[in-house]
Amino acid sequence: SAVISQKPSRDICQRGTSLTIQCQVDSQVTMMFWYRQQPGQSLTLIATANQGSEATYESGFVIDKFPISRPNLTFSTLTVSNMSPEDSSIYLCSVYTGIAAYEQYFGPGTRLTVT
Amino acid sequence: DQQVKQNSPSLSVQEGRISILNCDYTNSMFDYFLWYKKYPAEGPTFLISISSIKDKNEDGRFTVFLNKSAKHLSLHIVPSQPGDSAVYFCAASDTDKLIFGTGTRLQVFP
Repeated sequence: SAVISQKPSRDICQRGTSLTIQCQVDSQVTMMFWYRQQPGQSLTLIATANQGSEATYESGFVIDKFPISRPNLTFSTLTVSNMSPEDSSIYLCSVYTGIAAYEQYFGPGTRLTVT
Repeated sequence: DQQVKQNSPSLSVQEGRISILNCDYTNSMFDYFLWYKKYPAEGPTFLISISSIKDKNEDGRFTVFLNKSAKHLSLHIVPSQPGDSAVYFCAASDTDKLIFGTGTRLQVFP
């Protein structure tokens, strides 16, 4: 397994501003993922962040809105840019350790409220 | 188009009885299915998985059944305990990605 921490755990932001969420893992992992869970919805994959290459974004998500950094094998950031109330969600990072097929381990999430 | 569906948003079960959570999917190419449990203010935690080449996998009180012809899987928890009260997500693997259902909130009452 992997121990994952996220900062901040929650934040309230004004529309038009940006927030950067940090994800730290206690071991080196190749694949990190960023998800969004809107109220009452499932977890939706935003992008896959691999170290040494650009993030791969899912349909409906773009780099200008959700820029991602992956400077090393234990850390990643997700920025939510030019926020609107529709961005109010829980944002989660996860990692795939490669030990067991397809098992991903999740951080505790960042609860974002945009006013 | 939602590829993984959990049609029951909530389920209430008495302690000691069996909890059955259901999940349907549309893509026959999924090769692994997983169940996650989520408590409030925490990230989802992995519970149990099953390969598409199997029809059952058991781990203690938790058993997952897969019916490929019906594109249906279920999670059985027996006996249910109050600590099992959480939101349960089923997920299916699509190459390196997981596609999640909308979750079922399980409440186990004494």
